[in-house]
Parts: sequence; structure tokens; C-alpha cells
Amino acid sequence: QQQVRQSPQSLTVWEGETAILNCSYEDSTFDYFPWYWQFPRESPALLIAIRPVSNKKEDGRFTIFFNKREKKLSLHITDSQPGDSATYFCAAWGNSGTYQRFGTGTKLQVVP
Amino acid sequence: EAAVTQSPRNKVAVTGGKVTLSCNQTNNHNNMYWYRQDTGHGLRLIHYSYGAGSTEKGDIPDGYKASRPSQENFSLILELATPSQTSVYFCASGDPGGSQNTLYFGAGTRLSVL
Repeated sequence: QQQVRQSPQSLTVWEGETAILNCSYEDSTFDYFPWYWQFPRESPALLIAIRPVSNKKEDGRFTIFFNKREKKLSLHITDSQPGDSATYFCAAWGNSGTYQRFGTGTKLQVVP
Repeated sequence: EAAVTQSPRNKVAVTGGKVTLSCNQTNNHNNMYWYRQDTGHGLRLIHYSYGAGSTEKGDIPDGYKASRPSQENFSLILELATPSQTSVYFCASGDPGGSQNTLYFGAGTRLSVL
């Protein structure tokens, strides 16, 4: 079963626009939500992460908004750049904190 | 810098053959993981390990075995490879409960089973 869901599957924005990537989860015991990005032919790498004690985490142009009640979070990329074109994965730590579950990813394309 | 090294990087196997994918980490992390990545499925956990001598089943363990002979090494074994196991396999290491709970991934192994 897919415990972490992402939408949309793919997203195209113009350079300079804000891209919004969505994620939802089912297990209320998840307590750490990292976002990874992956460029073609490369491995995933941590981009930014949030814990439920916060409802917002910012790192430069990247911001996570977190809604614990609705079990939803979103990644906002402001002033999108062509170099941001990648697949973005939302993840959550499992019940006992032993492993991460990943969403199916959102493929972002930023057009110049 | 965290380092996870996978070998081989590319592998072509025949149906019914045995395949071993190797992973080495120099991060001194207790936990290691094997994921496979397929279009439309994201990253799915196959096996993971808490430390030397331990292996645990992930979400899709059928058809795979794992071995953790040491802190540094974690192998994924396909005893009887099938075409459905054609995929990109990623090894990762990490320590839950750490300040970041970050997974560090290897470069991946592209496996084709013919």
C-alpha cells in the first residue's frame, strides 16, 4: 500500500514562477519528512526536511509547508530555475523510525 | 563526506541466474538499505539492516535475499533472477534518531535480466 502519496506526477513551470509539489501520508506516527531531489542518471539527495513540531521550514528558495491535522505537506520552490528541473521525492520515517517510505515522485521541468 | 559505493554499476544477467549486488559505506552508520526504483513506483524498500549480522524484510522482499557481514558491507542477492527484477537498485545508509535522519545513497546499479 502506498503510505506516502505525491501529486502531481509531473509539473512544468516557467522560469521565475513558483512550483508547488504536494505530498500526503497516512500514518500519524510518522515524525520526520525529508524531501529528496534526483537529477537524471544520479542518485537521490536530501534537499530539505521538516518535523511535525513546525509547520514551516525554509531554506533559500525552498519552503515546506506542513499541515499535521490534514496529514499533508507541500514543497514550494520560488523563482524556479532551469537547474531545479529534477524529480522530487517526499519521504517519511516508518513507525519505529527504522526506515523511510517514499512517495512516487514529482518530475519538475522548469522552462527558460 | 558521506560515502556509499555500489558495485557493479551496470549488470546484465540471464533469467534463472544468480546476481549479487554489493554495497560499501564509510559513514559508520548502523542502518543500511536496499531500494529499487521503477518508473511510477518511486523508491521501494527491499531489505534493510540494523547492523552487522542483521537483515530485515522491507516492503517488497520476495525474490531477494540480503547479507550484512560487517558494518561497512551490505549485499543484495537474487538467487534466481527474473525479468521482473530488471530495475535500478540503490543502496543507502543512515542512522535514525540522528540530527538529520538523512539517507545517503550510492550511485545505483542498473540491472537488466534477459
